[in-house]
Amino acid sequence: NAGVMQNPRHLVRRRGQEARLRCSPMKGHSHVYWYRQLPEEGLKFMVYLQKENIIDESGMPKERFSAEFPKEGPSILRIQQVVRGDSAAYFCASSPYLGEGAVNTEAFFGQGTRLTVV
Amino acid sequence: GESVGLHLPTLSVQEGDNSIINCAYSNSASDYFIWYKQESGKGPQFIIDIRSNMDKRQGQRVTVLLNKTVKHLSLQIAATQPGDSAVYFCAEREGYSTLTFGKGTMLLVSP
Repeated sequence: NAGVMQNPRHLVRRRGQEARLRCSPMKGHSHVYWYRQLPEEGLKFMVYLQKENIIDESGMPKERFSAEFPKEGPSILRIQQVVRGDSAAYFCASSPYLGEGAVNTEAFFGQGTRLTVV
Repeated sequence: GESVGLHLPTLSVQEGDNSIINCAYSNSASDYFIWYKQESGKGPQFIIDIRSNMDKRQGQRVTVLLNKTVKHLSLQIAATQPGDSAVYFCAEREGYSTLTFGKGTMLLVSP
């Protein structure tokens, strides 16, 4: 049973290009969380999705960032017109739906995508 | 010993010692807490969690202590091994919201 799979592991983009980060949740998991991590800092929440629905995007920058989790295929975090400040490690976690008040919702993280904007 | 500077707080211990990593959380309404271990170049790995209706929970070689009065969480690792060297993060959550991570502590274990 594969864990949370993220690709690519490393991504280099020039300023102004688009970055697409993919996250395939664990088998049977219907919920995905995206986090961003700057060097020597903790993870900062960005967005929480279930299939075909964004549940909480309160951590997403208002411009240039978008996320989706289609019925089929991986979740995609898309960053348009990247700037140097977007350079960071982006992690996703997945969980099954466990009901209200669930714990262990972010127990399984992927290995991350390290985005470098040059 | 423990040091705080421009970089991550670092705790250096000898192999076989017990380690205690501390975390001060900010939200008095948080009711669920997790400790994660993150090795270089990898994603966070779940270690142990605790709900706010408990003050102690034990796992294999690890114990989490919660003091809600002073909003303090600690992770104790017994008989620390070189493989325990990593950055450790605490995370808190209130109700159905998402996790808020702390800044992390680097644990260095020397043989």
